[in-house]
Amino acid sequence: DAGVTQSPTHLIKTRGQQVTLRCSPKSGHDTVSWYQQALGQGPQFIFQYYEEEERQRGNFPDRFSGHQFPNYSSELNVNALLLGDSALYLCASSSTRAAAPPQHFGDGTRLSIL
Amino acid sequence: DQQVKQNSPSLSVQEGRISILNCDYTNSMFDYFLWYKKYPAEGPTFLISISSIKDKNEDGRFTVFLNKSAKHLSLHIVPSQPGDSAVYFCAASDFNKFYFGSGTKLNVKP
Repeated sequence: DAGVTQSPTHLIKTRGQQVTLRCSPKSGHDTVSWYQQALGQGPQFIFQYYEEEERQRGNFPDRFSGHQFPNYSSELNVNALLLGDSALYLCASSSTRAAAPPQHFGDGTRLSIL
Repeated sequence: DQQVKQNSPSLSVQEGRISILNCDYTNSMFDYFLWYKKYPAEGPTFLISISSIKDKNEDGRFTVFLNKSAKHLSLHIVPSQPGDSAVYFCAASDFNKFYFGSGTKLNVKP
């Protein structure tokens, strides 16, 4: 039973570029959330996708966008990259069918902006 | 605005003793609270949770206590083991939106 998988594991970009990160949820999960974790901080909620639509959004600019596919996998897109976007990006999945679902996390994508 | 706070960045405990990790929150609408453990180079791993309608939940060596009037959450690990050494995050949920604290690094000394 595969858990949450994210790709790539590491990525280096320069300012102004665009990046796409990918996430496959745990088997049986239908909801995907994305988080940004800066060094020394806890994960910060970016947004959540369910039924291919953005259901909730945190305090992130429109440069951050996402998508969920019919197979529940998801992408996080960041445009016009800034140095401050350097962080670990975590994907978490959960199931709306569970009574009180905890989120299961992938190991993250480490994004470095030069 | 940080709605979930972990004010102790680190904690050191002797093996076999109790570890107590604390967490404070500000939003009374939070309905679900969780603790995650994180090892380096891995994503957070779910540890234990508690609904806002309860004040205690126990799972083996791990017990979470919730004091709603004080808006305070704590995780007790008894007895502590060296393998428990990791960063612990508390999180709170408000209608599918999760807020995390900044983490407490626990070091259990043999």
